[in-house]
Amino acid sequence: EPEVTQTPSHQVTQMGQEVILRCVPISNHLYFYWYRQILGQKVEFLVSFYNNEISEKSEIFDDQFSVERPDGSNFTLKIRSTKLEDSAMYFCASSDRAGQPQHFGDGTRLSIL
Amino acid sequence: AQKVTQAQTEISVVEKEDVTLDCVYETRDTTYYLFWYKQPPSGELVFLIRRNSFDEQNEISGRYSWNFQKSTSSFNFTITASQVVDSAVYFCALSEAFNFGNEKLTFGTGTRLTIIP
Repeated sequence: EPEVTQTPSHQVTQMGQEVILRCVPISNHLYFYWYRQILGQKVEFLVSFYNNEISEKSEIFDDQFSVERPDGSNFTLKIRSTKLEDSAMYFCASSDRAGQPQHFGDGTRLSIL
Repeated sequence: AQKVTQAQTEISVVEKEDVTLDCVYETRDTTYYLFWYKQPPSGELVFLIRRNSFDEQNEISGRYSWNFQKSTSSFNFTITASQVVDSAVYFCALSEAFNFGNEKLTFGTGTRLTIIP
């Protein structure tokens, strides 16, 4: 069964450094999302992306965050200058059309030191 | 604004018992979707079910069943004859329907279910 792939599985970065989290959504999917989950807390929406542009972003998704779909397969989340509070599990998700369930990757655990 | 409440933070039951996980939601949308996801100890999010707001039929899938009641804004999840492999955190989630390009999920805080052998 096709799946969403995220790399790396764990990223350790110094505070203030830039980090790029990578996702390969399921190949025929059109809607892409990033979520984050701080340890022990609920999953929070960050951003949705469709037709090569951001559809909506949450208040967490400030100017330090950006997303990109540089080619036909990858979907990336960049954090420009990481803070300690960015430490979390980041999930990528995709769906093939409106109303269909989102399929999640296994997540990238980001640890900011 | 949308909100999902899972009042049960943690539940422990002995294997083979039935267990129900509660989910109450709030939304101003007239059409919406409800979901349940499972997060096992390995951390991934596994899709279990989607229900749309105009279909109040209950659903059964093996040992799992879901009870959707629009009148009480609830979408409860029951596991029958629980097994140790059911131990996980379960999240209920809500999204607006027909918002093309953005059907972001609003998650509840999750219920940690522990099945005791």
